[in-house]
Amino acid sequence: QQQVKQSPQSLIVQKGGISIINCAYENTAFDYFPWYQQFPGKGPALLIAIRPDVSEKKEGRFTISFNKSAKQFSLHIMDSQPGDSATYFCAASPSGNTPLVFGKGTRLSVIA
Amino acid sequence: GAGVSQTPSNKVTEKGKYVELRCDPISGHTALYWYRQSLGQGPEFLIYFQGTGAADDSGLPNDRFFAVRPEGSVSTLKIQRTERGDSAVYLCASSSQSNTGELFFGEGSRLTVL
Repeated sequence: QQQVKQSPQSLIVQKGGISIINCAYENTAFDYFPWYQQFPGKGPALLIAIRPDVSEKKEGRFTISFNKSAKQFSLHIMDSQPGDSATYFCAASPSGNTPLVFGKGTRLSVIA
Repeated sequence: GAGVSQTPSNKVTEKGKYVELRCDPISGHTALYWYRQSLGQGPEFLIYFQGTGAADDSGLPNDRFFAVRPEGSVSTLKIQRTERGDSAVYLCASSSQSNTGELFFGEGSRLTVL
């Protein structure tokens, strides 16, 4: 059973455009929702995270939108750049130090 | 180094052989996690240590997989009687006690079972 469903599987965006990746979850005990970025040959690295007490969190060009009633959250990358080309994973866990459950990933390509 | 270190970076073995993968976490991080990542997939949880003890080993796929962390720092993932389906990148991550939730991942050990 896949606990975190991520879409799309791949995404191509023009430089300067907005990249949007979506995730849905079933477990209502989840209360921590991070996004990780992974470049080829590297381990995933935390990009931005949100807890359900807020509906949106913004850090630079990256924004998480969270909809608790729909059990969905999304990552928006504004002014997408070629350097943003990577695989993005959403994840969730019941609390900060318990194991994260990851989505299957979205491969983003930003083309000039 | 300041990050999570994993060795070897690459391991090729034959079906049926025994393999050990090592993880050296960030100094002072009490929590250590092992994940497995197959091609085109997200990291899949295997086991989590808090200090020396395995707090959660529910992700280990079967009894061929075992992990230890005897002194609460370095951890070793051990795979017995390897199978071709074990081929994947094995990722280690550590986190501090601060409960921010951030996992710091190593670059992984790529295991290929022929």
